[in-house]
Amino acid sequence: NAGVTQTPKFQVLKTGQSMTLQCAQDMNHEYMSWYRQDPGMGLRLIHYSVGAGITDQGEVPNGYNVSRSTTEDFPLRLLSAAPSQTSVYFCASTTNSGSPNEQFFGPGTRLTVL
Amino acid sequence: LAKTTQPISMDSYEGQEVNITCSHNNIATNDYITWYQQFPSQGPRFIIQGYKTKVTNEVASLFIPADRKSSTLSLPRVSLSDTAVYYCLVGDTGYSTLTFGKGTMLLVSP
Repeated sequence: NAGVTQTPKFQVLKTGQSMTLQCAQDMNHEYMSWYRQDPGMGLRLIHYSVGAGITDQGEVPNGYNVSRSTTEDFPLRLLSAAPSQTSVYFCASTTNSGSPNEQFFGPGTRLTVL
Repeated sequence: LAKTTQPISMDSYEGQEVNITCSHNNIATNDYITWYQQFPSQGPRFIIQGYKTKVTNEVASLFIPADRKSSTLSLPRVSLSDTAVYYCLVGDTGYSTLTFGKGTMLLVSP
């Protein structure tokens, strides 16, 4: 199993550009989520999905869109990039059971918006 | 949401036992306590999870007193490779209840 994969690893954008961060998992996990991590900070939840076709907002959803058309993929779209979105983005997945299960994180995408 | 408080940083030496305590005074009945480890430029990695008393795995132990208002992550005989940030999370099954704070930066020196 490859686990959780993210592409690209690094990306530089200009203000106003749009792009999609890709996330895929091969563990058949129902739950997937996106976090951002700013320097010296913990992770903040952007959006999450409890299954294909179902998404919901986390703590910091503004400026980001998500969709979940398949169990495996959970892309994150930046509609119009802003310098405040410069951050490291992590995708995670986990199973659906009766306790908060182990989340498996991808390697991250380091995004810089100029 | 149950808020957690943990030390910003800790220092230790190789071979010592390290105990990191997390306070969660308003923990709810359904909440579990979960610890993650994060190395620079990597995503967090699950270490251990518990509900009450003591949990032990091959990496760490988690001590939870009866009132569950705090928990202690114990790392036996740390090595340089244990230098990382450790996060304490409190929550139930819903994603909206899980919050990563700033964590504890553990520095292990020779």
